[in-house]
Amino acid sequence: DAGITQSPRHKVTETGTPVTLRCHQTENHRYMYWYRQDPGHGLRLIHYSYGVKDTDKGEVSDGYSVSRSKTEDFLLTLESATSSQTSVYFCAIRPDRGKKLFFGSGTQLSVL
Amino acid sequence: QKEVEQDPGPLSVPEGAIVSLNCTYSNSAFQYFMWYRQYSRKGPELLMYTYSSGNKEDGRFTAQVDKSSKYISLFIRDSQPSDSATYLCAMSITGANSKLTFGKGITLSVRP
Repeated sequence: DAGITQSPRHKVTETGTPVTLRCHQTENHRYMYWYRQDPGHGLRLIHYSYGVKDTDKGEVSDGYSVSRSKTEDFLLTLESATSSQTSVYFCAIRPDRGKKLFFGSGTQLSVL
Repeated sequence: QKEVEQDPGPLSVPEGAIVSLNCTYSNSAFQYFMWYRQYSRKGPELLMYTYSSGNKEDGRFTAQVDKSSKYISLFIRDSQPSDSATYLCAMSITGANSKLTFGKGITLSVRP
């Protein structure tokens, strides 16, 4: 998957607990993205990063935070997980030129 | 009106059929147009990438962009059971930090 690794692949957690998902790339791309995918909603952008320590919100950022302290790692944190955050989460990377996104394999998160 | 509209499907066709998948959009500033294919429990993978108007062909797949009508299409010739997947259109304006806008996807099933 284009040098992208997401971890964990599956996670079950309880409401109110913090959760961190990790995206690791080996392509040295500047742009990284976090999406969630839900039936009936398609892919929705949560947060994105355009460089180390440079991040911005997407369309569904409430309840999520991100950090990027190294080019290769982009972390997504659910500060206090809720059942509405049960979803499949995808990380994507993009080269500096062009608009092609390359996606990871996803993390299936269940919040009980 | 959503920026990108995609037929919700699902779509079921017999093997060997010609498949036509379509998206309409409202933002005339879109310049980059893509189709992604997503197999069950996998991340989306880039299938076709087009800049501005015109056609692009890759094997059995043809992507068409009609900017005057704000309409893009993906044609699959001689469809195969292995083409069974969800297909998402995506598009973007120019600009370094611009983001992709996705359609919700359509699930295609090719019957042997």
